[in-house]
Amino acid sequence: QKEVEQNSGPLSVPEGAIASLNCTYSDRGSQSFFWYRQYSGKSPELIMSIYSNGDKEDGRFTAQLNKASQYVSLLIRDSQPSDSATYLCAPKGGDYKLSFGAGTTVTVRA
Amino acid sequence: DTGVSQDPRHKITKRGQNVTFRCDPISEHNRLYWYRQTLGQGPEFLTYFQNEAQLEKSRLLSDRFSAERPKGSFSTLEIQRTEQGDSAMYLCASSLGLAGVVEELFFGEGSRLTVL
Repeated sequence: QKEVEQNSGPLSVPEGAIASLNCTYSDRGSQSFFWYRQYSGKSPELIMSIYSNGDKEDGRFTAQLNKASQYVSLLIRDSQPSDSATYLCAPKGGDYKLSFGAGTTVTVRA
Repeated sequence: DTGVSQDPRHKITKRGQNVTFRCDPISEHNRLYWYRQTLGQGPEFLTYFQNEAQLEKSRLLSDRFSAERPKGSFSTLEIQRTEQGDSAMYLCASSLGLAGVVEELFFGEGSRLTVL
């Protein structure tokens, strides 16, 4: 079993729609969770972090965490063409490194 | 402060040659990480440093790979006797390194290695 699994893409959504990205993780010791966005040919950049169960909203992005189910998700509301990228889920375990999923590629159709 | 910088950005080498990558972290950051990323995959952890101490190295990492951070500032990643399977993007990241604090990793633009 992979440490971090994300829903396979690519995910294609029309402009203005909601993109829903899912991530499950195997390390029950994970306490912190990060979502990174990576444009093609570029390095990852942090867009959201979440530490507690429930929802966390930041602009058009909402992260949801359920530690009992070992599940974290990211919603992108009012999707824009500039949101077209690969989104990486990264739980953080008891040490100081992040483990990344393979990513879900999102394409927003104009 | 210009962020995490990596050099070179691109490296093409022949199989069997040695290559070295350099990473300069954000100046006040104590932790430095190396990751490797291949097409269609997420970054894979290689190793990380707290100041000059190398605290963890991936068990998947071949002995041909070595990393140093001699003065707790910049770091180098050397790959000896390169193989075609080493072709990847090598990403460096840094973080503040405050005890007990969950921190964001800031990534450099990466060094892309192509082994012919």
